[in-house]
Amino acid sequence: TQLLEQSPQFLSIQEGENLTVYCNSSSVFSSLQWYRQEPGEGPVLLVTVVTGGEVKKLKRLTFQFGDARKDSSLHITAAQPGDTGLYLCAGEDGGSQGNLIFGKGTKLSVKP
Amino acid sequence: NAGVMQNPRHLVRRRGQEARLRCSPMKGHSHVYWYRQLPEEGLKFMVYLQKENIIDESGMPKERFSAEFPKEGPSILRIQQVVRGDSAAYFCASSGQVKNQPQHFGDGTRLSIL
Repeated sequence: TQLLEQSPQFLSIQEGENLTVYCNSSSVFSSLQWYRQEPGEGPVLLVTVVTGGEVKKLKRLTFQFGDARKDSSLHITAAQPGDTGLYLCAGEDGGSQGNLIFGKGTKLSVKP
Repeated sequence: NAGVMQNPRHLVRRRGQEARLRCSPMKGHSHVYWYRQLPEEGLKFMVYLQKENIIDESGMPKERFSAEFPKEGPSILRIQQVVRGDSAAYFCASSGQVKNQPQHFGDGTRLSIL
């Protein structure tokens, strides 16, 4: 069974700090997706990483896919209160027709 | 708004009643996925449908749950004889014609069972 474990589960920081959250698995994934979810809303896709070692940047967010395609990280530079939310990683279930396996997420709170 | 549309946003049912959740995919998308999110849990896959076909229902409970995606109209997730444990947020996602396209989510239906 493929599992994705995210850490930390909760993170509370001050505005302006940097942070990194992790998404790890013992399984290889063909791609990983990162979503951000706010209370009462659905997950919003941030990025998809496909190639081992790939790095993608989205403004202050940097996403990295591990060389072995088993793990990924999200680094936020100079966090802002607007970054507050639940960050979810998801990978395609290799035994399926396309459904996603989700981690439980990292709940980030950025205080002004 | 061309995003994934789910309705109702909130649904309250008493134990034993039926719940019907609707999902209209993004324009041009023919693949629909349903997920369930329990408090403090990640999203769990339930079922994957294309127009008029169930492709993968490995995440669906064996009883009381069914899903359809007719040729015309939205996808429907139906829960019969609801129980308290069915209380959760149910999310629908859609993706494009080609396999392995990113999935885009609606804002969910929050189902509460009294």
